[in-house]
Amino acid sequence: AQTVTQSQPEMSVQEAETVTLSCTYDTSENNYYLFWYKQPPSRQMILVIRQEAYKQQNATENRFSVNFQKAAKSFSLKISDSQLGDTAMYFCAFMTHGSSNTGKLIFGQGTTLQVKP
Amino acid sequence: DAGVTQSPTHLIKTRGQQVTLRCSPKSGHDTVSWYQQALGQGPQFIFQYYEEEERQRGNFPDRFSGHQFPNYSSELNVNALLLGDSALYLCASSLEGRGFGNTIYFGEGSWLTVV
Repeated sequence: AQTVTQSQPEMSVQEAETVTLSCTYDTSENNYYLFWYKQPPSRQMILVIRQEAYKQQNATENRFSVNFQKAAKSFSLKISDSQLGDTAMYFCAFMTHGSSNTGKLIFGQGTTLQVKP
Repeated sequence: DAGVTQSPTHLIKTRGQQVTLRCSPKSGHDTVSWYQQALGQGPQFIFQYYEEEERQRGNFPDRFSGHQFPNYSSELNVNALLLGDSALYLCASSLEGRGFGNTIYFGEGSWLTVV
């Protein structure tokens, strides 16, 4: 069974600084996808960034980037130039690419990030 | 372009009652998944519907059932409610066959409180 672990329940960062959220996962699959989702107080889950396991290059989306270490099964999220609007709960998620192209997402427990002015 | 819409947004039920939650997927999407998110936890996959059939199911009892209609909208039914069923129920939609290019969109959820 696949599992996703986020070991930091809460984190805080000063506005404009950089913060890294950690995520580890366990799987015996070789072909899978990894995601970071943001859930603000509105509760709607918003995709931040995604990574295909077969790609060596780390994904980047504006101020958000990942450090994907496949052998270590680690997938951390770096937020640069933190903004007050980044305050939210962040979830790391895993999805296998099985017989169906639309798999189920397995989420970690989440990390609450507070950006302080 | 409307995203994923869910109803109702909040509801309170009594133990033992039954509840139905509704979801309309994003326009053009044909696959609907349901997740349960307890307070302070990550979402847990309940089941997924495609072509009006349950395709995958998570570790949830048979009290949880669903349905998908020809217009791709979906319902989640929970029978014999327990206090532990209190949670945010999230609906997610996607388009089959797009592989990794397939972005999964979430609704804002239905808050269920069982008293």
